[in-house]
Amino acid sequence: DQQVKQNSPSLSVQEGRISILNCDYTNSMFDYFLWYKKYPAEGPTFLISISSIKDKNEDGRFTVFLNKSAKHLSLHIVPSQPGDSAVYFCAARGVNTDKLIFGTGTRLQVFP
Amino acid sequence: DTGVSQDPRHKITKRGQNVTFRCDPISEHNRLYWYRQTLGQGPEFLTYFQNEAQLEKSRLLSDRFSAERPKGSFSTLEIQRTEQGDSAMYLCASSPRGPAFFGQGTRLTVV
Repeated sequence: DQQVKQNSPSLSVQEGRISILNCDYTNSMFDYFLWYKKYPAEGPTFLISISSIKDKNEDGRFTVFLNKSAKHLSLHIVPSQPGDSAVYFCAARGVNTDKLIFGTGTRLQVFP
Repeated sequence: DTGVSQDPRHKITKRGQNVTFRCDPISEHNRLYWYRQTLGQGPEFLTYFQNEAQLEKSRLLSDRFSAERPKGSFSTLEIQRTEQGDSAMYLCASSPRGPAFFGQGTRLTVV
């Protein structure tokens, strides 16, 4: 049972344009959501998070949007840079637990 | 470097051998997590500690797996009688409560 889903395995975007990565979840008890970036042979790096009491959180070029009624979140990267090329994972945490449930990832490639 | 540290970075072992991995969390973080990641998948939760107490354990963690966090500081993950299916990246993370910060992982290859 995949509670966190990233349906696009890959995304290719031109440098300077917007990258939009999507994530859907099924568990209505999730109250905290995160995005991580991962390079090969390294551990995931935390990017940005959002609590379920908000619908938007912004940090520099990264913005996360949460639509609770649709059980959907997205990560916007503007402008995209070649160094953003990596695998992006969304993750979610439930109300009474500390464990994170991860999606399967989306590979972003930013080309010049 | 004050990040999460994992040792070793790589481990090759023969099937049936026991292996132990170590994780040193960020010093002020009281929560410590172990995850496992295989190719094409996201990290899968194995277990987590709050201080020295192991609060949750995944059903993925068979009897061959054990984790400890003595004195609420570093943690070890032991796999007994390794199987080829145990080959994966083992990730440790720590957290004060909010986002978890990951180490670089230990890549285990069982031959």
